[in-house]
Amino acid sequence: DAGVIQSPRHEVTEMGQEVTLRCKPISGHDYLFWYRQTMMRGLELLIYFNNNVPIDDSGMPEDRFSAKMPNASFSTLKIQPSEPRDSAVYFCASSGPGTGELFFGEGSRLTVL
Amino acid sequence: QKEVEQNSGPLSVPEGAIASLNCTYSDRGSQSFFWYRQYSGKSPELIMFIYSNGDKEDGRFTAQLNKASQYVSLLIRDSQPSDSATYLCAVHPGGSYIPTFGRGTSLIVHP
Repeated sequence: DAGVIQSPRHEVTEMGQEVTLRCKPISGHDYLFWYRQTMMRGLELLIYFNNNVPIDDSGMPEDRFSAKMPNASFSTLKIQPSEPRDSAVYFCASSGPGTGELFFGEGSRLTVL
Repeated sequence: QKEVEQNSGPLSVPEGAIASLNCTYSDRGSQSFFWYRQYSGKSPELIMFIYSNGDKEDGRFTAQLNKASQYVSLLIRDSQPSDSATYLCAVHPGGSYIPTFGRGTSLIVHP
């Protein structure tokens, strides 16, 4: 398996623009997580899905953030409008039956100018 | 609020020494404990998990769990410069599939 696939790897945009991050989880995994990582706050859970259904979005910072999982093989995290304080690395991770291990994608580094 | 605490470091050890990384957690009902390694600019990857009190060894790595004291530690024997990374402790609260991550400890192994 190719692992969790995220795109884009790097995104530089201007304040106010819409940003869409994409994730393809590992086939057969029924949990999908979106995390944000910064030096100041570490790894923060934004939202997670179970069987494509959003379960807990309490970590989403504000209404500018939204996430969808239309099917088992695809999820998006959208920021609209983006702000400089959204600059971070965004990780998608998936997990399946077994130990509870999370498999992380390579991350999307977002810079908002 | 379920919390997982780690010393941010950096922890600096000489090559060949034992590195000891510690993690405490607040939820006494926690059941599963994980250690992830994250190299600079990379994503976290699992090193070890432990469920039961005591020690679990895997090569140069040993995870230690003490539920009564609510701490879990990771020992790295014969530390190598390639072990230099940030180590994240993750704890699954009781009955939950969702981990809570600590902020991570930066480890530097110098030649």
